Amino acid sequence: EADIYQTPRYLVIGTGKKITLECSQTMGHDKMYWYQQDPGMELHLIHYSYGVNSTEKGDLSSESTVSRIRTEHFPLTLESARPSHTSQYLCASSEVRGQASYNEQFFGPGTRLTVL
Amino acid sequence: KNQVEQSPQSLIILEGKNCTLQCNYTVSPFSNLRWYKQDTGRGPVSLTIMTFSENTKSNGRYTATLDADTKQSSLHITASQLSDSASYICVVTDRGSTLGRLYFGRGTQLTVWP
Repeated sequence: EADIYQTPRYLVIGTGKKITLECSQTMGHDKMYWYQQDPGMELHLIHYSYGVNSTEKGDLSSESTVSRIRTEHFPLTLESARPSHTSQYLCASSEVRGQASYNEQFFGPGTRLTVL
Repeated sequence: KNQVEQSPQSLIILEGKNCTLQCNYTVSPFSNLRWYKQDTGRGPVSLTIMTFSENTKSNGRYTATLDADTKQSSLHITASQLSDSASYICVVTDRGSTLGRLYFGRGTQLTVWP
């Protein structure tokens, strides 16, 4: 099993609250990713990072923000949560070795967020 | 447009039976195709990876096939077990991306009944 951790696993909060979803990996991977997944739907990339101090927006527009101050840590923050943010958020990481397309992404267990 | 389509959307089989899941893709330029298993409430875990030149890859009771000409792949599960109940996701990687961008299917939800 991959050494990538997410906390909390489940979160139920009210509208307007600020939240931070934590993601940590102990594999020393430079690349990290955040995906959003709704039930029965495909994963959508919302943020990624090539390494420390690197953050980029993904394919799916998201009101969340991310930071990468340490290699092993890639938190995602929502300044003001809304019901439309209800979803599952998955973090992943991959090493940088050879051609990027062959580097396997290892996924964390996910955080299921419900905004009331 | 790069897309990955999977069928069926859901499948119920009895323990011990075999099944085959299908994946069609339009991702170009193609690099590789992975099948992931995602248990409920967990992140996806890679089962197999196939490149353009490979047409079959096995991992225990899981056997994946790839036809790069028709852009189709299948995942065959032999002698199913209750623990095989999960979503199986076909994922195709774009060779042209420095990120190693993944294109995900919506998955096939497999339920194995005793």
